Amino acid sequence: QQPVQSPQAVILREGEDAVINCSSSKALYSVHWYRQKHGEAPVFLMILLKGGEQKGHDKISASFNEKKQQSSLYLTASQLSYSGTYFCGTAYNQGGKLIFGQGTELSVKP
Amino acid sequence: SQTIHQWPATLVQPVGSPLSLECTVEGTSNPNLYWYRQAAGRGLQLLFYSVGIGQISSEVPQNLSASRPQDRQFILSSKKLLLSDSGFYLCAWSLRNYEQYFGPGTRLTVT
Repeated sequence: QQPVQSPQAVILREGEDAVINCSSSKALYSVHWYRQKHGEAPVFLMILLKGGEQKGHDKISASFNEKKQQSSLYLTASQLSYSGTYFCGTAYNQGGKLIFGQGTELSVKP
Repeated sequence: SQTIHQWPATLVQPVGSPLSLECTVEGTSNPNLYWYRQAAGRGLQLLFYSVGIGQISSEVPQNLSASRPQDRQFILSSKKLLLSDSGFYLCAWSLRNYEQYFGPGTRLTVT
């Protein structure tokens, strides 16, 4: 089952914050976050394993709520370089393949 | 450090022609390898994945096939392309089932 991402698209002004959610109907083992710029390959951002993790990477952080089967990606003080499509990939067990959400298109304007 | 290569970068092929896309990984051993397809403006669809030489799992039954003749080489093939095969083909690798790293992709247009 494909995870559901929300919102589908968001437009920000430079310096504003955004939250992207990824929800699953099945229990999750891990959640992976990627960013893809137009015409390029997706780039790995971070991975969260079950256990209620939270991770941070500069001004981009993420949380994983195992009970809610949901992960959220937080972008604070957005920069122009944050523009792109964000994908979450979910795995349902340790040996499982990733199933990607449909993506969230983020545009940061000056 | 690890690098992943894909070629060709772009390809225009007529309907009914064969296809061969190649992916190679450097700097790691026994990686998991994946083939994804991305239609324009859409998400990532997993086509095949492999955990070792000769071990291929197919996710979507279609006219595509994959092979892994060497540890760090993954090939995507078709005997006869369809219009619906157009898209951005991405190869990725991972160690065990941790984060995946994507190659630069092949943009295929079937005419």
